[in-house]
Amino acid sequence: EVQLVESGGGLVKPGGSLRLSCAASGFTFSNAWMSWVRQAPGTGLEWVGRIESETDGGTTDYTAPVKGRFIISRDDSVSTLYLQMSSLKTEDTAVYYCATDGGSDSGLVNWGQGTLVTVSS
Amino acid sequence: SYVLTQPPSVSVAPGKTASITCGGNNIGTKSVHWYQQKSGQAPVLVIYYDSDRPSGIPERFSGSNSGNTATLTISRVEAGDEADYYCQVWDSSNDHWVFGGGTKLTVL
Repeated sequence: EVQLVESGGGLVKPGGSLRLSCAASGFTFSNAWMSWVRQAPGTGLEWVGRIESETDGGTTDYTAPVKGRFIISRDDSVSTLYLQMSSLKTEDTAVYYCATDGGSDSGLVNWGQGTLVTVSS
Repeated sequence: SYVLTQPPSVSVAPGKTASITCGGNNIGTKSVHWYQQKSGQAPVLVIYYDSDRPSGIPERFSGSNSGNTATLTISRVEAGDEADYYCQVWDSSNDHWVFGGGTKLTVL
């Protein structure tokens, strides 16, 4: 059974940093492309970014509002995906989900339960 | 960037058919995916590649895509189908996933 478990969320001040983790199990993580998606309170889904598998190049892509502030990385040795967030803004407040990324023809197949990040002074 | 437009809300009586649209420029040339998100839960993929269902998704869920509109159809609607539904495509011009704004399905 595929499992994705996010952690690392919490309260952080504007301008601060936070690192989210997504522990994966039940599939071959090293072969998987992975995405982060966020959802601000009471709003819709917003794609944050994704990382290819290392064998496919490990390229990352980001949505414009987070480019230059967020970094997605992965450690295949421990089947974990990361989202390093810096220069946080109040508008980054959201539940952050990790998901397996099946590509343009398959969508985001499996999702974690999400972790809440609150940016507030 | 590419924009997907969904109606904010759709209402349907139990046992009837609900149709949720997703509009986009020449969306018929893209693969459209649909997600169901129940209150307080993570999204679940219910339709991918326009009309395919992942394992475990009831046959009552179906999809179509042509021209400028993709449609998620839920037949014989049940109370448990009440949720927010989001469409999604890959914007290859910007290497981005794009979500529609979401549609709240209310079962009367």
